[in-house]
Amino acid sequence: NAGVTQTPKFRILKIGQSMTLQCTQDMNHNYMYWYRQDPGMGLKLIYYSVGAGITDKGEVPNGYNVSRSTTEDFPLRLELAAPSQTSVYFCASSYGSRNTEAFFGQGTRLTVV
Amino acid sequence: AQSVTQLGSHVSVSEGALVLLRCNYSSSVPPYLFWYVQYPNQGLQLLLKYTSAATLVKGINGFEAEFKKSETSFHLTKPSAHMSDAAEYFCAVSDRILTGGGNKLTFGTGTQLKVEL
Repeated sequence: NAGVTQTPKFRILKIGQSMTLQCTQDMNHNYMYWYRQDPGMGLKLIYYSVGAGITDKGEVPNGYNVSRSTTEDFPLRLELAAPSQTSVYFCASSYGSRNTEAFFGQGTRLTVV
Repeated sequence: AQSVTQLGSHVSVSEGALVLLRCNYSSSVPPYLFWYVQYPNQGLQLLLKYTSAATLVKGINGFEAEFKKSETSFHLTKPSAHMSDAAEYFCAVSDRILTGGGNKLTFGTGTQLKVEL
């Protein structure tokens, strides 16, 4: 059982470039999330989705976009990359109820230069 | 909104010593709390969770945490540290989201655990 799979693992972008971080899960979870992790800051929620076709902003959505066309996939799009988007990005999925944990991918380490 | 605070961004212990990582929560409703571990260059892995059953929760790798309502705390402990415990540990609380009526996890800022010989 693969769980949550993210690609790529590492990426270097130049300022102004765009890219899509891929995330797929095979647990049939309705809820999916994108977090970014910065040193000393913990994880901040960027966007989330409660099912195919339904997404909403989290705490730090500026500079990002998402889509959810299937239950399995939840890509994160960075438009016009900026140095402030240098971070480690984690995708997660869950059943969305209060007592259930989220399952995380291995992360994508992104550097914008 | 619910939140958690982790006291101490870095904790260092000797191998074989007690591990104590602190987490305090703020919640207007009975909280559901989680501890995750992150090894270098890895994703987050669930250690244990509190979901209002037993106040003492046992997790993987010999870790446990005790929910104390009077202290609004959910500290993580392990009686004897091992070198392999060196990692970053995150406390999290389940928090309601606006869309869909479900929940997300809100994380603390993390505690880096160093284990020395």
